[in-house]
Order: sequence, then structure tokens, then C-alpha cells
Amino acid sequence: EDQVTQSPEALRLQEGESSSLNCSYTVSGLRGLFWYRQDPGKGPEFLFTLYSAGEEKEKERLKATLTKKESFLHITAPKPEDSATYLCAVQARAGGTSYGKLTFGQGTILTVHP
Amino acid sequence: DAMVIQNPRYQVTQFGKPVTLSCSQTLNHNVMYWYQQKSSQAPKLLFHYYDKDFNNEADTPDNFQSRRPNTSFCFLDIRSPGLGDAAMYLCATSRTQDRPQYFGPGTRLTVT
Repeated sequence: EDQVTQSPEALRLQEGESSSLNCSYTVSGLRGLFWYRQDPGKGPEFLFTLYSAGEEKEKERLKATLTKKESFLHITAPKPEDSATYLCAVQARAGGTSYGKLTFGQGTILTVHP
Repeated sequence: DAMVIQNPRYQVTQFGKPVTLSCSQTLNHNVMYWYQQKSSQAPKLLFHYYDKDFNNEADTPDNFQSRRPNTSFCFLDIRSPGLGDAAMYLCATSRTQDRPQYFGPGTRLTVT
């Protein structure tokens, strides 16, 4: 069974204080690893897809990296508007009717104080 | 703007009273998904359609059903809601099963 564990559960930062969120996974053949941002009461917003170990993606203050066992979401000089829950999800390779299914982690609640 | 729309945003129903949630998309994506997300938990896939091909997750209760009458619309029917079905229901779409999924704003279901 595919599993995703995110840490820490909650992270409080001061504005400008860089940090990283961790996503550890076990999956029967990784098709892709996805990062989403979710604001309270809203649907997840797509951020990145990573497909192979060593791959990196960047968007504004966010940078996602991938190894064979985990992914990191690095946040550089965060601002209060970066406060949200960050969700990591994995998708297994093709095969069976569950192809396409995202298995999500519990998320990391990020709070950035001014 | 191309988007995923869910209606209503908030739905209150009584215990055992059938309810239908709606999702529409202007992205012209082939795949549509329904997820259930309970408070402070991860989204959990209920089922998905690839075009008209329906795929049900093994642990999705029989109480939950879905319809996709055309490419743009998908419905989630809960035949006899219980108190444990109170949750946020998220609709998502993707071009194909291996592409990123784009989520709607969700419908918050309350069961009284």
C-alpha cells in the first residue's frame, strides 16, 4: 500500500526565516510526486510535479526536490501570504484501475508571522 | 479562465436524506475525480471517471455513487447520508490520468 508521511505537522516561521518541509513516501513504482497548497476552506492548488530522483522545480519562493525516498519543499524568505497547508501526494505507475489515484500525506500547516 | 466549479459551496442535509453535489469544468479534461476530505485529514479518493469509464475505489461505501452525463459535468450522489459523511467533498480534473490534477473549491457537507 502506498504511504506518504509529512513532517513537521506544523511549522511556525518568522517572515524571512527560510526552512524546509519533508515528504517521505513508499510507493510501488513512483509515477509522480505532487505538491499542493491548500488554504482553509478551499481546494488544493497545484504547485509542482516531480517525476525522477534529482529533479528540482522552482516557483517564486518555493523549490521542490526529489530523492528515491523523500521530497523536500524549501521555502526561501517566506512571507505571511505563504501561510497555508502544504500537501504532498504520490501517484503510482500505470496498472490497475487505481492508476491516476493520488495518495496524500496529512500535510504541514505553515504559519509565517510578520 | 478555465476552471473547476463546484456547487453548492455549502450543503446542509438531514440524516438519511439523499443529497447530490455538482462539479463542472471548462478545462475539457478527460478525467474527473471525487475526493472526500474530513477535518484535518488528507483528501481520500472515492472514485474517478476516465471519459465515461467509471473506476470505484475498493473502500468507497456503497452509499456513494457518481454520474458523468457529459465531459463537463460530474455528480456525487450520497443516497443516505450519515453523520460520518460530514466532510469537504473535492472535485478534481486532469487531462489524462498521469497529468496533474486541478481541484475545485470544494463543497462543505453538514449532516444534521
